[in-house]
Amino acid sequence: NAGVTQTPKFQVLKTGQSMTLQCAQDMNHNSMYWYRQDPGMGLRLIYYSASEGTTDKGEVPNGYNVSRLNKREFSLRLESAAPSQTSVYFCASSIAGGHQPQHFGDGTRLSIL
Amino acid sequence: DQQVKQNSPSLSVQEGRISILNCDYTNSMFDYFLWYKKYPAEGPTFLISISSIKDKNEDGRFTVFLNKSAKHLSLHIVPSQPGDSAVYFCAASALNNFNKFYFGSGTKLNVKP
Repeated sequence: NAGVTQTPKFQVLKTGQSMTLQCAQDMNHNSMYWYRQDPGMGLRLIYYSASEGTTDKGEVPNGYNVSRLNKREFSLRLESAAPSQTSVYFCASSIAGGHQPQHFGDGTRLSIL
Repeated sequence: DQQVKQNSPSLSVQEGRISILNCDYTNSMFDYFLWYKKYPAEGPTFLISISSIKDKNEDGRFTVFLNKSAKHLSLHIVPSQPGDSAVYFCAASALNNFNKFYFGSGTKLNVKP
């Protein structure tokens, strides 16, 4: 049972390059989320998708776009990467929105030079 | 401005003793709180949650206490085990926007054998 799978696990980009981070869950969850984690800070919500076909901004959406491709997949795109976007990115899912715990992937470590 | 704060970056405890991890929040609209545990190179995993209608929730060795008037919650681990060594995050969400979770910066717990 894979749970939440993120690809790639590591990536190095140059400033200005574009990149899509992939996330897929096999738990039939309705809601999916993208977070970033920076040193000394907690996870900060970038975007979320409460259900298939909907997406909404989180706390730090600038510089990112998302696509809820289907119920299983939720991708995060950096159109023009900046050094400030160097971070560890986590995808998560939950059964539904509301007060439900989230299941996290193991993260993508992204470095932008 | 961080709405959820964990003011102790680290905590060291002897095996068998109690570990107490603390979390403070500023948003009075928060009504659901969670604790996650994170090992290196893995995503956070859900540990325990509490709704604002309760002041205590227990699950095995883990108990979460909520003091709404002080806007404070704590996680007690009794007895502590070396396998509990990890980073612990508290998180909160509000009923009027329950898809948005706000995380603290984490406390690194070291349980010494």
